[in-house]
Amino acid sequence: ETGVTQTPRHLVMGMTNKKSLKCEQHLGHNAMYWYKQSAKKPLELMFVYSLEERVENNSVPSRFSPECPNSSHLFLHLHTLQPEDSALYLCASSQDGQGNIQYFGAGTRLSVL
Amino acid sequence: EDQVTQSPEALRLQEGESSSLNCSYTVSGLRGLFWYRQDPGKGPEFLFTLYSAGEEKEKERLKATLTKKESFLHITAPKPEDSATYLCAVLSGSARQLTFGSGTQLTVLP
Repeated sequence: ETGVTQTPRHLVMGMTNKKSLKCEQHLGHNAMYWYKQSAKKPLELMFVYSLEERVENNSVPSRFSPECPNSSHLFLHLHTLQPEDSALYLCASSQDGQGNIQYFGAGTRLSVL
Repeated sequence: EDQVTQSPEALRLQEGESSSLNCSYTVSGLRGLFWYRQDPGKGPEFLFTLYSAGEEKEKERLKATLTKKESFLHITAPKPEDSATYLCAVLSGSARQLTFGSGTQLTVLP
């Protein structure tokens, strides 16, 4: 148990569906992250939320929409996804957004049909 | 742009057969190099952080070392439970976020 909990663990959705991924951290951290992990590729940072700022990877399509209501919760809202969006989506948290050790959740395995 | 290259992509060892994984990096001012372990169906688990060339850290059968261009993760007398994908990531002076390599998938056969 890493202190970072992601739900659901698995999600299958059609291209016209709308769904949300949830992440909750119990570590008292002040920064949270969304990563995309595809087979044989490096982890791709999608979004960062910290007390200082929100950072976006400009290559992330607008069909992914993050929400961070407080320092313990992070959501990733999904709509009109494409099959190439199928991947493992990982949430992480760290003490702050300045490059400290990141602690990861178990991920949500997303399949887009 | 920061770059991280891990080799080999996959490594199969017999139990007890020691070996090393490589992480080569190109960054503008290294602030830290991180090693993670990832088991199937799980998120990456933090192992080590190295901050300067010459630094070494150990944990059980694992030892991480750092030079100005690369890091090695040495595995001594591995056991089947060491089977996992090992990820390397760097934090540079010009970035505030980690850049990850593609990982090395290690399989230790009994």
